Amino acid sequence: DAGVIQSPRHEVTEMGQEVTLRCKPISGHNSLFWYRQTMMRGLELLIYFNNNVPIDDSGMPEDRFSAKMPNASFSTLKIQPSEPRDSAVYFCASSSYRVGDNEQFFGPGTRLTVL
Amino acid sequence: KNEVEQSPQNLTAQEGEFITINCSYSVGISALHWLQQHPGGGIVSLFMLSSGKKKHGRLIATINIQEKHSSLHITASHPRDSAVYICAVYSGGSNYKLTFGKGTLLTVNP
Repeated sequence: DAGVIQSPRHEVTEMGQEVTLRCKPISGHNSLFWYRQTMMRGLELLIYFNNNVPIDDSGMPEDRFSAKMPNASFSTLKIQPSEPRDSAVYFCASSSYRVGDNEQFFGPGTRLTVL
Repeated sequence: KNEVEQSPQNLTAQEGEFITINCSYSVGISALHWLQQHPGGGIVSLFMLSSGKKKHGRLIATINIQEKHSSLHITASHPRDSAVYICAVYSGGSNYKLTFGKGTLLTVNP
């Protein structure tokens, strides 16, 4: 079975540009998470979707960040405009969210560099 | 004080040694994750457990809910086990929000 798929794997952009990160969760999973990982802050939850609905976006840093999940098999995280402090690795994860079985499975990550 | 504390922060071992990484948490939890991340790499879920013990190959994870403590053991360690091991818990009544430890960097020398 394919795991969580993320694209692109690497993104280098200039400050002010729009960046779109993409995620395809594991088929059959109904929960999707976007995380950001930096050396200073470790892993941080940005937003959590359940059944395509955003449930918790309290971790989204500011209005420059937005996330969508138009269907069960696709999600995007958009940064507009991007800033150098957004440089980080962004992970998408999914889970089946059954009682007693909410193990999260992570994608390979997108390494974002904003110059 | 972080809700999730891991020890040691760094660990160096020789190939073949038995490895133990510890995780202590200060809050009630519903489940605990052990994750593995190779340098520059993705994050792999090793275990999720809420009680007892789980085994997968050379990896064993245990949890003691009363003592708020979990351990990850690696038997017959190998250089390919070199990675950061992260403990994360579902706490505060949440079954989706993970609180992460700072990770343990394991280096296994040949």
